[in-house]
Amino acid sequence: EVQLVESGGGLVQPGGSLRLSCAVSGFTFSDHYMDWVRQAPGKGLEWVGRIRNKAYTTEYAASVKGRFTISRDDSRNSLDLQMNSLKTDDTAVYFCARRHTTMYYMDVWGKGTTVTVSS
Amino acid sequence: DVQMTQSPSSLSASVGDRVTITCRASQGINNYLSWIQQKPGKAPKFLIYAADSLQGGVPSKFSGSGSGKDYTLTISSLQPEDSATYYCQQHDSYPLTFGGGTKVEIK
Repeated sequence: EVQLVESGGGLVQPGGSLRLSCAVSGFTFSDHYMDWVRQAPGKGLEWVGRIRNKAYTTEYAASVKGRFTISRDDSRNSLDLQMNSLKTDDTAVYFCARRHTTMYYMDVWGKGTTVTVSS
Repeated sequence: DVQMTQSPSSLSASVGDRVTITCRASQGINNYLSWIQQKPGKAPKFLIYAADSLQGGVPSKFSGSGSGKDYTLTISSLQPEDSATYYCQQHDSYPLTFGGGTKVEIK
């Protein structure tokens, strides 16, 4: 069974840092691009960023560029999101999502982990 | 950035009704358009890719259509379990963008 399980969420003060992880199973992780998507309380979905497979290149939303870093460890089947200089606007549920190998739509999503940025 | 405009933002319909949600992109997106369902407190569920292709395991009451800038999600016969928020999403260009969502309620 294909599974994506996020972890690492919690309460952090503005200006602080947090590292989220996404553990994957049930498929060949190294074959897939991976994304992070977030959802602020009561709001819609917002794309955060993507990491390719093989080349490991990344793309980010303007709202997080320079503060967030996506990385992956194919040997551990793990995707990470390092979040620095956190703002109250970063409060959200963070989902990891898998991209289809050839058509690149997000076909599988995790259940999310909650990040609250507050003093 | 490609802006995705969904309408309506909410709707209320009866069991058995045919429901249509539209999504308009600010520029052509080459049919790189997905539809996603989200129920309260749950993870998003992927329904349709490439504008009109049904993901495996998704009931055939869901269908997608469209091209260029304009796309549509149709639920042919609304059931209570279809109560959810539906999002369109483009992956033609970065940053990836979502529509604002359509909340579907059962009368």
